[in-house]
Amino acid sequence: QKEVEQNSGPLSVPEGAIASLNCTYSDRGSQSFFWYRQYSGKSPELIMFIYSNGDKEDGRFTAQLNKASQYVSLLIRDSQPSDSATYLCAVNNQAGTALIFGKGTTLSVSS
Amino acid sequence: DAEITQSPRHKITETGRQVTLACHQTWNHNNMFWYRQDLGHGLRLIHYSYGVQDTNKGEVSDGYSVSRSNTEDLPLTLESAASSQTSVYFCASSESRNSPLHFGNGTRLTVT
Repeated sequence: QKEVEQNSGPLSVPEGAIASLNCTYSDRGSQSFFWYRQYSGKSPELIMFIYSNGDKEDGRFTAQLNKASQYVSLLIRDSQPSDSATYLCAVNNQAGTALIFGKGTTLSVSS
Repeated sequence: DAEITQSPRHKITETGRQVTLACHQTWNHNNMFWYRQDLGHGLRLIHYSYGVQDTNKGEVSDGYSVSRSNTEDLPLTLESAASSQTSVYFCASSESRNSPLHFGNGTRLTVT
């Protein structure tokens, strides 16, 4: 069974700080990596996706991928209370059948 | 705007009853998916489809079935509802196998 692992948290950071969310995956052949944000009682919404090794930046968000270490992370700069949510890491396996999700990390940003 | 709609939003049913959850998307995506989300388990794949007449089993497919008669719809049927199937169900679609998923708003199902 291919797995995606995340620290469940909660991860607590003060407003304005950098939040770092981490994810490891077991399928070495994975090609596509996604970060979703999910507010309580809502559906997951896409934040970022990354396909190549390195960093990808979009506003306050940076996704980092290291395929050799099978590790993907999400950095949130200048964290805001509105960033408080559960963050889901999702990985597409080598067969490309579907996304496998981690259990999510709960982020709490205090003002 | 394109969207993916699930119905009903909430459903309460009794053990042993057949239940069908609807999913309709206007993205014109070939790929559609059903996930369930439970505390402690995250999102788990139930069934998926890559196009009309194509269906595939996911990680937790026992007790569920799907059919794909057109591009827009992928209904999920619980053949004989069990209390273990109490969950929040999400339908999703994607443009290609490596594309992000677009999620519906979810259906909260309670089996009593």
